[in-house]
Amino acid sequence: GNSVTQMEGPVTLSEEAFLTINCTYTATGYPSLFWYVQYPGEGLQLLLKATKADDKGSNKGFEATYRKETTSFHLEKGSVQVSDSAVYFCALIHTDKLIFGTGTRLQVFP
Amino acid sequence: EPEVTQTPSHQVTQMGQEVILRCVPISNHLYFYWYRQILGQKVEFLVSFYNNEISEKSEIFDDQFSVERPDGSNFTLKIRSTKLEDSAMYFCASRQGAPGETQYFGPGTRLLVL
Repeated sequence: GNSVTQMEGPVTLSEEAFLTINCTYTATGYPSLFWYVQYPGEGLQLLLKATKADDKGSNKGFEATYRKETTSFHLEKGSVQVSDSAVYFCALIHTDKLIFGTGTRLQVFP
Repeated sequence: EPEVTQTPSHQVTQMGQEVILRCVPISNHLYFYWYRQILGQKVEFLVSFYNNEISEKSEIFDDQFSVERPDGSNFTLKIRSTKLEDSAMYFCASRQGAPGETQYFGPGTRLLVL
């Protein structure tokens, strides 16, 4: 079946550190892949997406590359800020419904 | 920027009571969804809705659940007789047109069943 696996959190970093949040997927075919972010007290916001293999999605300094060979879509940011503290969800689309990973909480300290 | 809104933000109810969760999707969107997230667990798909009909529903979406678009703006989720295990955050989402387009989420309603 279709599923998404994310690294367990929380991820705790100091400001300006490099961030990687791992995401791998299992899917039939090559679905579009997404990263959503949930800031405290808010809903899910689309952070970035990629629709086909080798596509790179980017937004607000975050990047993720759709890797067909490794079935991965890892989220990276070169220098995190305190304001990036949130829960990050990796997801794929299958028959018009999103299938999410468990979410990874990121905590950034000054 | 247009956004999906949901009311109420929090609801507490007694087991066995009916609840209606309300959503106002983005105005030119045609496809509507409900997802839920039980505390500490994954966000799970419940149902999708298009052209006044359910397009797809999950195993979770049993006879206790129903959805409706009562007018041109609202999209509701009704739980007829709530159970303790219905306690969760419920998210509404909408998208505009072509399959695979981004789904935009509301802020969620936190439902607590006592």
